[in-house]
Amino acid sequence: EVQLVETGGGLVQPGGSLRLSCVASGFTFSGFWMTWVRQAPGKGLEWVANIKKDGSEKYYLDSVKGRFAISRDNAKNSLYLQMNSLRVDDTAVYYCARSVEGAFDSWGQGTLVTVSS
Amino acid sequence: DIQMTQSPSSLSAFVGDRVTITCRASQYIGSYLNWYQQKPGRAPNLLIFSTSTLYTGVPSRFTGSGSGTDFTLTINSLQLEDFATYYCQQSYSTPLTFGGGTEVE
Repeated sequence: EVQLVETGGGLVQPGGSLRLSCVASGFTFSGFWMTWVRQAPGKGLEWVANIKKDGSEKYYLDSVKGRFAISRDNAKNSLYLQMNSLRVDDTAVYYCARSVEGAFDSWGQGTLVTVSS
Repeated sequence: DIQMTQSPSSLSAFVGDRVTITCRASQYIGSYLNWYQQKPGRAPNLLIFSTSTLYTGVPSRFTGSGSGTDFTLTINSLQLEDFATYYCQQSYSTPLTFGGGTEVE
């Protein structure tokens, strides 16, 4: 069974940093692109970033470029999102998802990031 | 960036109804269109990918159609468990973008 488990969310002040982690199991992690998608409270879904199977290509939403960094460790079956210079409008539930030809076929349960003073 | 516009944003329906949700892309996306269902407090679930291919385990009452810029999700004979919010998403180019959602209540 495919499982994705996110951790690392929490309350942080504007300008602060957080590192999200997602541990994968039940599939060959190194064989798939991986993605972070977020959802602000009461709002819709927003793609944040994705990373190629071997980590050699990374793509970002414009509003997070230069502040967020996606990475992966295939030996640890883990996906990461380093978030710096956090802003109030980054407040959201962050989901990691497995990507198959651009569709997200498996999702974690999400981790809540709250940016507030 | 490709903008995805869903309509309606919400609809009321009854069990047994046929429900249609539309999604329009701001530019050509071929068949690179996916549909998700999300229930409150839960992660989304993939329903349909590449416009019309049903994901594993998704009931056949869900169908997708369209191409180019205009797409449709149809739920035939709505069931109690189908009351949820539905999102379309284009996978033609980054940034990958979602529609604003359609709440079926």
